[in-house]
Amino acid sequence: GQQVMQIPQYQHVQEGEDFTTYCNSSTTLSNIQWYKQRPGGHPVFLIQLVKSGEVKKQKRLTFQFGEAKKNSSLHITATQTTDVGTYFCAGARNFNKFYFGSGTKLNVKP
Amino acid sequence: NAGVTQTPKFRVLKTGQSMTLLCAQDMNHEYMYWYRQDPGMGLRLIHYSVGEGTTAKGEVPDGYNVSRLKKQNFLLGLESAAPSQTSVYFCASNPAQGNTGELFFGEGSRLTVL
Repeated sequence: GQQVMQIPQYQHVQEGEDFTTYCNSSTTLSNIQWYKQRPGGHPVFLIQLVKSGEVKKQKRLTFQFGEAKKNSSLHITATQTTDVGTYFCAGARNFNKFYFGSGTKLNVKP
Repeated sequence: NAGVTQTPKFRVLKTGQSMTLLCAQDMNHEYMYWYRQDPGMGLRLIHYSVGEGTTAKGEVPDGYNVSRLKKQNFLLGLESAAPSQTSVYFCASNPAQGNTGELFFGEGSRLTVL
């Protein structure tokens, strides 16, 4: 079954609005990664979180790893049309065997 | 460097036919993976390898076999293709150095089984 659950499945926003996607695991993770996949493309690595409660920022993107290392979120502030794509989390229990969430497909209307 | 290269990029098979997908990486990475991607299902791990000569099962290994005879290559085989194996297949590699486990993906192989 699905090791990592991700919601929502789809999100449609107006350009300039914020966006958040969430991942949850029933078991403690060693680390979690986030990827972006553009339509017709392949997943591209965004970031990795390892420490409990860790927060990392990349320009308008904020990534969080929960205190229990079972959940994570990606927040985009003031979305742009270039943010369109599907965002995946990938959790691991032994650092190198990754289980992907089902992804959140983001559509941004100009 | 080419990174991770998958061949072929597209293939149409009839039920019962066999085929092999090739993944090649030129980054000297230890770990390699095969995922399949289906609508609404994300990427599911089929098989993976932690080094030359080793393979292990992932989430959905049934109907597939793999081999890692050389460090740079990871082959995914379908012995008797079924329509349920219609999917986009992604290969990925990982340097496996400490906690820096970024996955580098190939561009994908789209397989249709009729």
